[in-house]
Amino acid sequence: DTGVSQDPRHKITKRGQNVTFRCDPISEHNRLYWYRQTLGQGPEFLTYFQNEAQLEKSRLLSDRFSAERPKGSFSTLEIQRTEQGDSAMYLCASSLVIAEQFFGPGTRLTVL
Amino acid sequence: KNQVEQSPQSLIILEGKNCTLQCNYTVSPFSNLRWYKQDTGRGPVSLTIMTFSENTKSNGRYTATLDADTKQSSLHITASQLSDSASYICVVSPNTGTYKYIFGTGTRLKVLA
Repeated sequence: DTGVSQDPRHKITKRGQNVTFRCDPISEHNRLYWYRQTLGQGPEFLTYFQNEAQLEKSRLLSDRFSAERPKGSFSTLEIQRTEQGDSAMYLCASSLVIAEQFFGPGTRLTVL
Repeated sequence: KNQVEQSPQSLIILEGKNCTLQCNYTVSPFSNLRWYKQDTGRGPVSLTIMTFSENTKSNGRYTATLDADTKQSSLHITASQLSDSASYICVVSPNTGTYKYIFGTGTRLKVLA
């Protein structure tokens, strides 16, 4: 499969725990995006990477959230001290310079 | 404020019937408009993309229309199938070359046998 992949697909955690999600973009796609989607809503932009540089972060990305893309390939999104309000689908997308974003299947996070 | 609004919020139809989903946007300047299909628990998958100069775009049983003057788009599904049950999201790109998508909240379609 040469599409965007995300791991894990589902994560259940207790409030206060840290979680980390991984996204593997389509190879040769230099742009990578993270979104959060709650039930019945469209995705909301979190952050954007061009190669390894994080060029923009949404105000939604509080200081408990951190994203990295160390080698300009895969990316990780970490949430520290999770809260129940963090429960959502976390989507990753990738694209070429100015092209359509291809979305991964998402990671469904449930914080108990 | 740039917004994308979709209607109806949800829709139930019988298999084999046609339906039309609506998208109104206030995004300006406008570069292109996309319709995505999102199955439950999955990421969005692109159905169509139209620039401001295009009026219609088809992808199998899916036909999208665009009226850039009234800032309206529609997605028509012909001869619906059970597998069409999903959320359909209208997405607008405000400027040429920007990565910033503005998403609608989607229409949840349920096709019944």
